[in-house]
Amino acid sequence: LAKTTQPISMDSYEGQEVNITCSHNNIATNDYITWYQQFPSQGPRFIIQGYKTKVTNEVASLFIPADRKSSTLSLPRVSLSDTAVYYCLVGDGGYNKLIFGAGTRLAVHP
Amino acid sequence: DTAVSQTPKYLVTQMGNDKSIKCEQNLGHDTMYWYKQDSKKFLKIMFSYNNKELIINETVPNRFSPKSPDKAHLNLHINSLELGDSAVYFCASSQDFYEQYFGPGTRLTVT
Repeated sequence: LAKTTQPISMDSYEGQEVNITCSHNNIATNDYITWYQQFPSQGPRFIIQGYKTKVTNEVASLFIPADRKSSTLSLPRVSLSDTAVYYCLVGDGGYNKLIFGAGTRLAVHP
Repeated sequence: DTAVSQTPKYLVTQMGNDKSIKCEQNLGHDTMYWYKQDSKKFLKIMFSYNNKELIINETVPNRFSPKSPDKAHLNLHINSLELGDSAVYFCASSQDFYEQYFGPGTRLTVT
């Protein structure tokens, strides 16, 4: 199984860039890496997905090294509303297996 | 318009009862899922349905049974509820599998 490991929690301040790293040593060749965000009392929300190198959208960037054994979610200039739990998700070989990591609780302070 | 909706939002019941949670998506997605999030916030997939066929069953107790009357609905039936079933249950749907759209969740409390 493609297990993921993330920091349990992180703290930041408004306006800073936040980088959250996820380890996935057993990622399969065809697996993609996906990140989700979850606010209290809400369902997770898709943020970004990538396979290799770098992916950027209007919300975040995703950096994936050549060996793909880890990935880093980068949130530019965070605000208080970015306080949430961030999940790293890796497809566990094939179409049907999908494993959520334990999640990283990000707290953004004024 | 709510993309993925669940009812009820809260469900409080006693041990031994049977209950159902309903889920509907209006995104036209082919696959729907049920997840369980426990008190420690671990999110675990339980089931998924693709075109009315079960394609994931994560060894959950057979007291849990998903039922999909059509592509837009995936209901979760739970028989003989136990204390350990207390959790938040999320429904989700997707077209390309990795980008899933989640519902607001149903908080189930078994007393």
